[in-house]
Amino acid sequence: GAGVSQSPRYKVAKRGQDVALRCDPISGHVSLFWYQQALGQGPEFLTYFQNEAQLDKSGLPSDRFFAERPEGSVSTLKIQRTQQEDSAVYLCASSFTSGANTGELFFGEGSRLTVL
Amino acid sequence: GENVEQHPSTLSVQEGDSAVIKCTYSDSASNYFPWYKQELGKRPQLIIDIRSNVGEKKDQRIAVTLNKTAKHFSLHITETQPEDSAVYFCAAGGNQFYFGTGTSLTVIP
Repeated sequence: GAGVSQSPRYKVAKRGQDVALRCDPISGHVSLFWYQQALGQGPEFLTYFQNEAQLDKSGLPSDRFFAERPEGSVSTLKIQRTQQEDSAVYLCASSFTSGANTGELFFGEGSRLTVL
Repeated sequence: GENVEQHPSTLSVQEGDSAVIKCTYSDSASNYFPWYKQELGKRPQLIIDIRSNVGEKKDQRIAVTLNKTAKHFSLHITETQPEDSAVYFCAAGGNQFYFGTGTSLTVIP
């Protein structure tokens, strides 16, 4: 596709529900990142994939958060037993290069999660 | 991980004046420093970036400077225009990237 695509754009969940957020990166992009952006804040790093390998998941706030990219393209961020503090915009970004040469991140529009 | 601090959090300038936003980082291994512009409800978009082997880079009205010794880098926007009004984020990293908390820039016509 022309850009990074995320779905759903908006998700309302009741506390305790599980949610899954999808990211379709730009075709051929090796690196994929997930960020959490609370209102009025900068994007907070969650996790990073190089192809299908999850190289860094140090930013995931708890074991309720899980991300995968099984075939090295589409990625899913899953949040189990959602809490109100999980309410945020979840941004996905991809980059053509990886490692020390990682360059411009192309962001999706984000998935806005509201937990009631 | 990397710790990126950004100042100021808000900035108002008159149209035509210059705007400067400053960031510091903590990890000396960071080698890539992009700046993103985010308009309300939109995705962040890259406006300029710099790598650690360069001290300054300019693109029309936008410039970025990097001081590796002091671990700080700055964004300079000259001849500001109302359409420059947005939130600007700095970031630092190598394999993955950590963002500052953002600067809300308002250009007053």
